[in-house]
Amino acid sequence: DIQMTQSPSTLSASVGDRVTITCRASQSISSWLAWYQQKPGKAPKLLIYRASSLESGVPSRFSGSGSGTEFTLTISSLQPDDFATYYCQQYDSYSPGFTFGPGTKVDIK
Amino acid sequence: QVHLVQSGAEVKKPGSSVRVSCQASGGTFTTYIISWVRQAPGQGLEWMGRISPILGMANYPKKFQGRVTITADRSTSTAYMELSSLKSEDTAVYFCARDSDGGSYWPYWGQGTLVTVSS
Repeated sequence: DIQMTQSPSTLSASVGDRVTITCRASQSISSWLAWYQQKPGKAPKLLIYRASSLESGVPSRFSGSGSGTEFTLTISSLQPDDFATYYCQQYDSYSPGFTFGPGTKVDIK
Repeated sequence: QVHLVQSGAEVKKPGSSVRVSCQASGGTFTTYIISWVRQAPGQGLEWMGRISPILGMANYPKKFQGRVTITADRSTSTAYMELSSLKSEDTAVYFCARDSDGGSYWPYWGQGTLVTVSS
């Protein structure tokens, strides 16, 4: 099974900061990676799919990059609404199955 | 506009089963795959399985094989997730999610259903 890791697990930042979260897969997943934002008591919200495609309606300050085993989510200028937990999710077309990373909590410095 | 509406919170005894429903509106129910994802209190997200309503075929990760059954009723555009032999560790919020083109990610989510397993 493909395992996903994320770093850091917690990130303290200020409004206006550039924030980068890294997600690594235990084996190559090509570009089958998505990023979600989740706030307490809410369902996850899709931000990025296929590693770098911005979901409709998501602000352009969010971007994704990477392929193979290493991926990043970048928030170019952190806004108050962005304090949340972020998860990466991979799709394995061979199993088939899905695995999430353990999450990165972005909180206020 | 796609909406997924889930059934309400449940409290169950250990060893029993629970069935959670997810009714879809907007879009064509049979065209897309419905997955179930759960989240234990304070924990991360865990994929439990998925179903293709048009094929009626489901698949599950090894962890849940034999304990989870996902079905779909095309006449009511409703998907169901049944989890049996409940343990306290199954206390979680259960989400349904619908995929988009390609099936590798989920733009649409239900609101979540809290299942509490307690004696």
